Amino acid sequence: DAGVIQSPRHEVTEMGQEVTLRCKPISGHDYLFWYRQTMMRGLELLIYFNNNVPIDDSGMPEDRFSAKMPNASFSTLKIQPSEPRDSAVYFCASSSPSGTSGGASYNEQFFGPGTRLTVL
Amino acid sequence: DAKTTQPPSMDCAEGRAANLPCNHSTISGNEYVYWYRQIHSQGPQYIIHGLKNNETNEMASLIITEDRKSSTLILPHATLRDTAVYYCIVRVATDNQGGKLIFGQGTELSVKP
Repeated sequence: DAGVIQSPRHEVTEMGQEVTLRCKPISGHDYLFWYRQTMMRGLELLIYFNNNVPIDDSGMPEDRFSAKMPNASFSTLKIQPSEPRDSAVYFCASSSPSGTSGGASYNEQFFGPGTRLTVL
Repeated sequence: DAKTTQPPSMDCAEGRAANLPCNHSTISGNEYVYWYRQIHSQGPQYIIHGLKNNETNEMASLIITEDRKSSTLILPHATLRDTAVYYCIVRVATDNQGGKLIFGQGTELSVKP
């Protein structure tokens, strides 16, 4: 398996433009996560899906951000309009029960390489 | 999920053991200790996890104190490629959240030749 795939790897855009980040999870994984990483705030969970349904979007910063998962193999994170403070590395991750430990299943998350977004 | 405390940075000589501590004094009985690491410019990578027994895999060993209030991740023979930020995370093992992770600031480990 190629792992989690994200595109583009780098995006430079101007303030006010729409930005769309894409993610292809590992085949068979039923959870998908979007994270954002900045120097100031570290790694933050934005939203996650289970079986293509958004479960928790409490980390989405504001209405300018939206995420969709139209099918099990594709998800998008959209920012419209973009602002300079949105500049960050955006990671996508996927997971599925990885095994058992102490009688309980656990989920190892697999992360993609990230998209580095720069908003000028 | 319980909060964790880690030193912001550590150094280790190449070939020596790297011992990374983590305090989690408010851990609950059903919470596991997970370790991930993030090499520069890459996404985080799972290392190991445990409940109360010590654990070992091909990457590292995890030592959890008897009262479970702290743990230590051990890289037995650190290499330059182990230079990364190491995150200690406490969470329940199975909670129908797919392994949802809340990252702290982590420990930046520098392995020096």
